[in-house]
Amino acid sequence: QKEVEQNSGPLSVPEGAIASLNCTYSDRVSQSFFWYRQYSGKSPELIMSIYSNGDKEDGRFTAQLNKASQYVSLLIRDSQPSDSATYLCAVNVRGSTLGRLYFGRGTQLTVWP
Amino acid sequence: DGGITQSPKYLFRKEGQNVTLSCEQNLNHDAMYWYRQDPGQGLRLIYYSQIVNDFQKGDIAEGYSVSREKKESFPLTVTSAQKNPTAFYLCASSIVGQGSNQPQHFGDGTRLSIL
Repeated sequence: QKEVEQNSGPLSVPEGAIASLNCTYSDRVSQSFFWYRQYSGKSPELIMSIYSNGDKEDGRFTAQLNKASQYVSLLIRDSQPSDSATYLCAVNVRGSTLGRLYFGRGTQLTVWP
Repeated sequence: DGGITQSPKYLFRKEGQNVTLSCEQNLNHDAMYWYRQDPGQGLRLIYYSQIVNDFQKGDIAEGYSVSREKKESFPLTVTSAQKNPTAFYLCASSIVGQGSNQPQHFGDGTRLSIL
């Protein structure tokens, strides 16, 4: 059973703060990692992909991957009220059917002004 | 514009009725997926398909059926055997063939309710 776990939240941070979202996964051969943002009532939107250990930055977003610890995180710097959404972690496992992703339940983030 | 189109946006099902949710993509993606999302829950995979005329069951396929007659289209039928169909249904697609690294992209979803 391949499992993806996210901190349950909800997470609440003030505007301008750093929001830290965490995700752990059970399968050691996991290969590709994605963060999706889902606004209430809307579909998930891809915001970050990361494949190698270390940090990957894109604007205010930084994804961090540590395969030895089976841990991937998303940092949102200078958080804005428009960042308020549910963030889904998704993992693709090497050797699984190509393209199949396993999703966590998501962490709800609220950024208050 | 390239993208994934799901229709209808809202759908109501009567008891004992089968309903079909449409999903069309013009991204030239090989793989397509159907997920179900319940309130406060993550995404659960119903069915997926990597090539035309072939598809596989996901984790919760019971009470659902699909077809993949064209690369662009992957309709989902919610049958009367699915006793709790009320949920948000999401269709996604991705490229296949460059290892397993390709993300999935989602349509806008169909919200299904029982009358």
